[in-house]
Amino acid sequence: KAGVTQTPRYLIKTRGQQVTLSCSPISGHRSVSWYQQTPGQGLQFLFEYFSETQRNKGNFPGRFSGRQFSNSRSEMNVSTLELGDSALYLCASSFFGGSETQYFGPGTRLLVL
Amino acid sequence: TQLLEQSPQFLSIQEGENLTVYCNSSSVFSSLQWYRQEPGEGPVLLVTVVTGGEVKKLKRLTFQFGDARKDSSLHITAAQPGDTGLYLCAWDNYGQNFVFGPGTRLSVLP
Repeated sequence: KAGVTQTPRYLIKTRGQQVTLSCSPISGHRSVSWYQQTPGQGLQFLFEYFSETQRNKGNFPGRFSGRQFSNSRSEMNVSTLELGDSALYLCASSFFGGSETQYFGPGTRLLVL
Repeated sequence: TQLLEQSPQFLSIQEGENLTVYCNSSSVFSSLQWYRQEPGEGPVLLVTVVTGGEVKKLKRLTFQFGDARKDSSLHITAAQPGDTGLYLCAWDNYGQNFVFGPGTRLSVLP
């Protein structure tokens, strides 16, 4: 069974631009969660989508948004990029979310210049 | 939200040595997970511990959950270069999302 895939794997943007990252969950998984990982803050929860609805949200500004499609694929968007948005963005999928085991993708490494 | 502390932050050892890393909180966990993240990859779940005092073994890795369910440890016997990575503990925030500790970065030198 194919794992979680994320595209692109690497991205370089400049301040003020916006970016869209994509995540394809494991087949059959309906929950997709997004995390930001930085050396200073570690792994922090952004939001979770289940059946095309945002179910939980972390403590990030409104510049961070996401959506989920009917095939469970998910995208996250960051508008008006700041230098501090440079990070590894990880998505994780599971069948129903909550306390279930989640499976992570390899991440998208975003560098903001 | 409960915060997790992990120690040590960094650890560099020679192949064949034993090591223990720790995950602590001031509050009680319902359960705790341990992950390993290798460079360029996402975290991979190693184990979930649920019961206070529980001990789980995964080949050379031994995981222990404290009796009071406030702390956990991961012991690696005869470490190998393949054990190199970032070890993260995490707990499920009442089913809403997972909260991760800052991690222990382990380097095993051949």
